[in-house]
Amino acid sequence: QKEVEQNSGPLSVPEGAIASLNCTYSDRGSQSFFWYRQYSGKSPELIMFIYSNGDKEDGRFTAQLNKASQYVSLLIRDSQPSDSATYLCAVLDYKLSFGAGTTVTVRA
Amino acid sequence: GAVVSQHPSWVICKSGTSVKIECRSLDFQATTMFWYRQFPKQSLMLMATSNEGSKATYEQGVEKDKFLINHASLTLSTLTVTSAHPEDSSFYICSAREGSGTGDSPLHFGNGTRLTVT
Repeated sequence: QKEVEQNSGPLSVPEGAIASLNCTYSDRGSQSFFWYRQYSGKSPELIMFIYSNGDKEDGRFTAQLNKASQYVSLLIRDSQPSDSATYLCAVLDYKLSFGAGTTVTVRA
Repeated sequence: GAVVSQHPSWVICKSGTSVKIECRSLDFQATTMFWYRQFPKQSLMLMATSNEGSKATYEQGVEKDKFLINHASLTLSTLTVTSAHPEDSSFYICSAREGSGTGDSPLHFGNGTRLTVT
């Protein structure tokens, strides 16, 4: 079983809609979770991190963590074409493990 | 915010030569830096953890004699790909964690180095 799993997508949403990304992880003891955005050919950039169960909101982004179910999600509200990218979920144990990423395409 | 500078951003080299990639933390000290490799359409794979003043810790399957890591100061780590081969062509990304370097501090990435071995 992979340590961090994401649907590869692509996830296509119309402009203005909500994009919902999911991620599951295998290590129940994981404590820190991160979402990164990566444009094609570029390095990842940190969007959000979350440590506690529940929701964390930052602008149009909301991260949700459920440790009991071992999943973390990212919601992108009012999606914009500039949000089109690959979104990487990462989980911190002794190292940061990345999911394969979900490609999001926002249609204008 | 924290900035990690990586140089060069791209390099083309001939098979059999060595290439050095530098990673600097510009506005914070990083006792630990991480080196990742990303092949097209795949996720980042951790290659090694670079520890200031001590030997790097390599992930399983990564040849330590081929990928030499030096972390000589709190702001600089270098990765040298020795005797490069075409299969080493990849996107190499360094990262560092601000703060105490442990636990929950976010990881900041350099801009990456696109290595092409001909």
